[in-house]
Amino acid sequence: EAQVTQNPRYLITVTGKKLTVTCSQNMNHEYMSWYRQDPGLGLRQIYYSMNVEVTDKGDVPEGYKVSRKEKRNFPLILESPSPNQTSLYFCASRSKLSSYNEQFFGPGTRLTVL
Amino acid sequence: QKEVEQDPGPLSVPEGAIVSLNCTYSNSAFQYFMWYRQYSRKGPELLMYTYSSGNKEDGRFTAQVDKSSKYISLFIRDSQPSDSATYLCAMSLPSYQKVTFGIGTKLQVIP
Repeated sequence: EAQVTQNPRYLITVTGKKLTVTCSQNMNHEYMSWYRQDPGLGLRQIYYSMNVEVTDKGDVPEGYKVSRKEKRNFPLILESPSPNQTSLYFCASRSKLSSYNEQFFGPGTRLTVL
Repeated sequence: QKEVEQDPGPLSVPEGAIVSLNCTYSNSAFQYFMWYRQYSRKGPELLMYTYSSGNKEDGRFTAQVDKSSKYISLFIRDSQPSDSATYLCAMSLPSYQKVTFGIGTKLQVIP
């Protein structure tokens, strides 16, 4: 089954404790993105990657890091999480052949930073 | 002013009603227009897309784009309880990675 998977699905942590949210897709997509979704603000792009070793900032990159060492994986790293990073996070992927930017989203990771 | 404006609702309608969901936008360069549906505790999934202006119909769903007014709509005919979800409009420039989303309208269809 074609899908985007994220782990963990739920995470409660404390301020300053480094964490990684993994994302993997099995559709051989070139493009991958991370979004956060907050009430009243909608989906905002954090980082995106157009291919292996190619990443760029989205609208809200502060406090986040990403890496793209393999085509299928795109982990999101919070080196020193803070409470304002409490949010619902989505990973998404799409094929570079998609002419209308259809993105396939993962199931989401709900992060709480205390 | 946000690039994309969308009323968050919630919108409650009886089963069988026609639902109209709308977004306005400010960037006249947007060319691709999409509607995503997001069920509770799930990721968004693409429902419909259109390129430039015009209408597109898919079963009970119709997407409309009016570029002159910078206004897009999604119509749902004969709404069903299974249509209860949050609907996000989205749009992008041609051949560009960035997609801009509306905040989503929460729809509840009451049996």
